[in-house]
Amino acid sequence: DIQMTQSPPSLSASVGDRVTITCRASQTITSFLNWYQQKPGEAPKLLIYAATILQSGVPSRFSGRGSGTDFTLTISSLQPEDFATYYCQESYSVPLTFGGGTKVEIK
Amino acid sequence: QVHLVQSGAEVRKPGASVKVSCQASGYIFTGYYIYWVRQAPGQGLEWMGWINPNTGGTNYAQKFQDRVTMTTNTSINTAYMELNRLKSEDTAVFYCATRGPYGSAAWWGRGTQVTVS
Repeated sequence: DIQMTQSPPSLSASVGDRVTITCRASQTITSFLNWYQQKPGEAPKLLIYAATILQSGVPSRFSGRGSGTDFTLTISSLQPEDFATYYCQESYSVPLTFGGGTKVEIK
Repeated sequence: QVHLVQSGAEVRKPGASVKVSCQASGYIFTGYYIYWVRQAPGQGLEWMGWINPNTGGTNYAQKFQDRVTMTTNTSINTAYMELNRLKSEDTAVFYCATRGPYGSAAWWGRGTQVTVS
């Protein structure tokens, strides 16, 4: 099984900050990497698929980069509604493993 | 608009079974795989497997292989996930989701709370 390692597990940031979350796969997954946002008590929401493609309706302040084993999710200017937990997921091979999550909290 | 409606919360005793449903609307049900994902309290997301509603074919994560059964009823656009031999560690929210581009989980149900106690 492919292991997905996210870092950091949590971070504190202020509104307007630039935030970057990293995700590393234990083997190459080419561009089969997805990012989700989950707020407390809600289902996850797809933000980015294929490492870099923004899901319809997702604000352009979110962006994804990477290929192979190393990936990043960047929020260019953190907004109040962005405080949530973010997960990466590989969809290269089953089981479609998720990363452990990164909780973005208000500083 | 894609909409996935899941069944309500369940309470079961250890050793029992639970069957969660997920009714889809807003798209061609047989055109997209359904994923099932588990989330224990305060924990991350865990992929359980998928079902192809067109063929009934399934692929389960090895962790759940001997306890889970995923099925569909295409006449009512509904997917089911049955988990047997429940343990306290199965207390969790179970989500269904549709497979999207590049294997992503594009649309999600609101989740079903299963409590094993």
